[in-house]
Amino acid sequence: EAEVAQSPRYKITEKSQAVAFWCDPISGHATLYWYRQILGQGPELLVQFQDESVVDDSQLPKDRFSAERLKGVDSTLKIQPAELGDSAMYLCASSPRKTGMNTEAFFGQGTRLTVV
Amino acid sequence: QKEVEQNSGPLSVPEGAIASLNCTYSDRGSQSFFWYRQYSGKSPELIMFIYSNGDKEDGRFTAQLNKASQYVSLLIRDSQPSDSATYLCAVNRGYSTLTFGKGTMLLVSP
Repeated sequence: EAEVAQSPRYKITEKSQAVAFWCDPISGHATLYWYRQILGQGPELLVQFQDESVVDDSQLPKDRFSAERLKGVDSTLKIQPAELGDSAMYLCASSPRKTGMNTEAFFGQGTRLTVV
Repeated sequence: QKEVEQNSGPLSVPEGAIASLNCTYSDRGSQSFFWYRQYSGKSPELIMFIYSNGDKEDGRFTAQLNKASQYVSLLIRDSQPSDSATYLCAVNRGYSTLTFGKGTMLLVSP
């Protein structure tokens, strides 16, 4: 069964350090999302890609966060420098292309980030 | 105003009962509606999606959509303790962002 792959599963980093997360979407899925989920909250979008293009990064803290999907396949999300408030689950999801609208999104297992 | 609203719960039901989870949304142009289940410490898992007004059934799950009232619900029949989780409602329009509510925690007691 096709899955969204994410790594690492867990990451502990010191504040002010750099950290990176990787995501490989389900093959053929054009849309890729990075979400952040704080305990007790719903996922909040950080960035959405359609193929290699960013279609929404309005909630991405661009002073410290960056994301890329260079060949329209896998993607990397980076934080530099990490802050204590960045501790959260980082979720990657992908969805297939459908004319006129996005279809259902499938999530990877997530990366649990702890900043100390 | 929150774009997608859900009661945080917890909603407690006995085993075998019907659990009813509700969600309202603010964007009248929303086209796609999704329900995800999330166990503690795990990632969201898609349960159902619905695009048209009315009911859509899949096994023990029924999604209901009323676009005029901007309301979507999920019914779980014959609830089992394994259904205990947080249920997330998600909404989008066209190719726009998939927006999530905060989720409703469901507790099914044996």
